[in-house]
Amino acid sequence: ILNVEQSPQSLHVQEGDSTNFTCSFPSSNFYALHWYRWETAKSPEALFVMTLNGDEKKKGRISATLNTKEGYSYLYIKGSQPEDSATYLCAFERGSTLGRLYFGRGTQLTVWP
Amino acid sequence: NAGVTQTPKFQVLKTGQSMTLQCAQDMNHNSMYWYRQDPGMGLRLIYYSASEGTTDKGEVPNGYNVSRLNKREFSLRLESAAPSQTSVYFCASSEVVGRDYGYTFGSGTRLTVV
Repeated sequence: ILNVEQSPQSLHVQEGDSTNFTCSFPSSNFYALHWYRWETAKSPEALFVMTLNGDEKKKGRISATLNTKEGYSYLYIKGSQPEDSATYLCAFERGSTLGRLYFGRGTQLTVWP
Repeated sequence: NAGVTQTPKFQVLKTGQSMTLQCAQDMNHNSMYWYRQDPGMGLRLIYYSASEGTTDKGEVPNGYNVSRLNKREFSLRLESAAPSQTSVYFCASSEVVGRDYGYTFGSGTRLTVV
């Protein structure tokens, strides 16, 4: 069983706060690390796909970094807004099974106005 | 552009009944997947199809069968439903070729087995 760990499990912040979450994954047989945003009553939506060590990707106020040697990725949200409230999933993709993702359990973010 | 369409959205079954969850994508993706989502467990892969004509087991295949009918459609069948199969089921598709792809998910099927 392949272990993808996310922390914290849940997070409550005030509007305007910046926040970050962690995703840990196996450092061997790495191909890609995916981040998804999952709003309640909707389906997960892809945020980033990162493949290179040191990759940094940004979409608006959300950014992510990748360290494949030590097996972790951080997701940052700058100036959180209530509409950022969602569960953020990371998923590991290994080289021997391209396309198949191993998901973490997610970090549930609540942003209070 | 519909993306990934799943039917039905909700279903209640009695123990022992059978049903098929349908999934279709219009993005010409090669790969399709079925996941289940249970509280505190995250998304777990049931079956996947890397390309038309192939299917493989994921982490939790017991009690399920799949059919990749053509490139667009990938169905999941419960032959004899059990309460342990109460879950939310998501279908997804992706294009493996290329470095900047992700999954596109359907809207989910909420299944209750009583």
